[in-house]
Amino acid sequence: GNSVTQMEGPVTLSEEAFLTINCTYTATGYPSLFWYVQYPGEGLQLLLKATKADDKGSNKGFEATYRKETTSFHLEKGSVQVSDSAVYFCALAASGGSYIPTFGRGTSLIVHP
Amino acid sequence: DTGVSQNPRHKITKRGQNVTFRCDPISEHNRLYWYRQTLGQGPEFLTYFQNEAQLEKSRLLSDRFSAERPKGSFSTLEIQRTEQGDSAMYLCASSLRSDSYNEQFFGPGTRLTVL
Repeated sequence: GNSVTQMEGPVTLSEEAFLTINCTYTATGYPSLFWYVQYPGEGLQLLLKATKADDKGSNKGFEATYRKETTSFHLEKGSVQVSDSAVYFCALAASGGSYIPTFGRGTSLIVHP
Repeated sequence: DTGVSQNPRHKITKRGQNVTFRCDPISEHNRLYWYRQTLGQGPEFLTYFQNEAQLEKSRLLSDRFSAERPKGSFSTLEIQRTEQGDSAMYLCASSLRSDSYNEQFFGPGTRLTVL
């Protein structure tokens, strides 16, 4: 079946540091890949997505590249801010039906001033 | 704001009691999803509706769980004879129907605590 593996958190960084959150997946076919973010007390929000190999999703300074050869979709940001503190979820949605996403466990990011 | 809303935000109940949660999706969205999220885990799919039709149910959805979307607008999720293992955050999301992936918009969730 489909699965997503994320690095365990929390990830603790100082403001302006470089961020990488690793995500690898297992899926049949060619899934679409996503990063969702959940700020404290709020619902999950789609941060970025990529629908085919070598696509790069980007939003709010975050980027992730769909790497089929390594089955990875690592999230990166060059300079994090305190306001980026949240839980980040990697997810995939396989084609051919309802596109119900499979989520990873989430990685908590804490950014200190 | 016309995002997805869920009520109540928090529910504390005693084991064996029934609880019902409500989800109001974004008005033009015809798909509605329910997920369960436990501490330290990502959301796990429970069921989804397209308009009023319940099209898919996860094996996580035991027979104590029932969901409805009677007029294709709001939805309710009922848990009968609650157990401590039902304690979790219950998330609702909505989207437009499409032949490809459409972004799901999530509500803030209902946190259930079963004592």
